[in-house]
Amino acid sequence: GQSLEQPSEVTAVEGAIVQINCTYQTSGFYGLSWYQQHDGGAPTFLSYNGLDGLEETGRFSSFLSRSDSYGYLLLQELQMKDSASYFCAVGDDKIIFGKGTRLHILP
Amino acid sequence: NAGVTQTPKFRVLKTGQSMTLLCAQDMNHEYMYWYRQDPGMGLRLIHYSVGEGTTAKGEVPDGYNVSRLKKQNFLLGLESAAPSQTSVYFCATTDRPMVQFFGPGTRLTVL
Repeated sequence: GQSLEQPSEVTAVEGAIVQINCTYQTSGFYGLSWYQQHDGGAPTFLSYNGLDGLEETGRFSSFLSRSDSYGYLLLQELQMKDSASYFCAVGDDKIIFGKGTRLHILP
Repeated sequence: NAGVTQTPKFRVLKTGQSMTLLCAQDMNHEYMYWYRQDPGMGLRLIHYSVGEGTTAKGEVPDGYNVSRLKKQNFLLGLESAAPSQTSVYFCATTDRPMVQFFGPGTRLTVL
């Protein structure tokens, strides 16, 4: 079957760095994606890893290890606007999302 | 360009009623997806389409039907609504399945 595991909540301080982990089990696999969702809003795409290694986009980085079925999202220089839920997703044409990690940022 | 639009934005149904949710996109994307989101459950795939005239089942297809008669539209139907179908429904489109663009969502309540 297919499954993803990510922490339900993470708390960090403004200006700090936080890492959100995702482990997965899936049959079809194009790669690992990350999405952000603010309360009341729609998910928005953040990052995609099709190959092993690190992808960097501004303050956000994402990592994938296919051999470990593991990835993470790294958020640097945290800002209050980063308070949101973050979802990892895997699959091929059929995509499965994790249950999401709620990020709380303290001033 | 409107991107991805969903109609309606809100709807209240009584148990047993039927309705159709419309997702429309002007990005000429091949792939379209319907998800439902419930508190603490993340996004769960209902049905998806890899191109005009095609549909496939996702994780939670029971109680829903879909059609993709035109490339730009993906319809989600509830034939006999149940309270368990109370949820927020999101449509997404893409040309690369791992990079999806979501619509604003439809909030459906079934009484």
